[in-house]
Amino acid sequence: AQSVTQLGSHVSVSEGALVLLRCNYSSSVPPYLFWYVQYPNQGLQLLLKYTTGATLVKGINGFEAEFKKSETSFHLTKPSAHMSDAAEYFCAVTLTGGYNKLIFGAGTRLAVHP
Amino acid sequence: DTAVSQTPKYLVTQMGNDKSIKCEQNLGHDTMYWYKQDSKKFLKIMFSYNNKELIINETVPNRFSPKSPDKAHLNLHINSLELGDSAVYFCASSQRPSDGEAFFGQGTRLTVV
Repeated sequence: AQSVTQLGSHVSVSEGALVLLRCNYSSSVPPYLFWYVQYPNQGLQLLLKYTTGATLVKGINGFEAEFKKSETSFHLTKPSAHMSDAAEYFCAVTLTGGYNKLIFGAGTRLAVHP
Repeated sequence: DTAVSQTPKYLVTQMGNDKSIKCEQNLGHDTMYWYKQDSKKFLKIMFSYNNKELIINETVPNRFSPKSPDKAHLNLHINSLELGDSAVYFCASSQRPSDGEAFFGQGTRLTVV
């Protein structure tokens, strides 16, 4: 069975500092991996995804993530945090092929301080 | 143009009532989903339809009944509402059922009192 673990339910950074949100997954077959962002009272928006190919994936708003199979990780980073990055971030996994469903992690709330 | 739209955005109702949430997508996608987000922000899939056919049905009480009149619409009807049904319900769509990647609506916050 697939699962996703996000380390740290709350992360706080200063504006301009590095953002690192951690995600580890468990999957018996090669997964597709996703990061979604949820702003207050909004739906989820896709930040980036990994399916196949290059393991370093660039997304919107300056975010990127690296798929590390040996570590079963897909951590999200951004070199310099902006106040507008404050939101809830969800890592998700799905199986390759077949009828897929997103399996979400518990989410990490990112706070950005001036 | 809203890609995935849900109505209503907020729904407050009493225990025992029956309510429906409507969802429409204008992306031309074949697959639609209902996800539930609980009070702790945890997201879990409930149902998925591909071209009006039910393809994923998670362990959901049978008080919840999805209906897809066409591939652009997926409605969720809930009978005999309970306090524990209070949550945010998200509709989503994807181009194909194997995509995984989904486009989400704004959510419907259901509060059962």
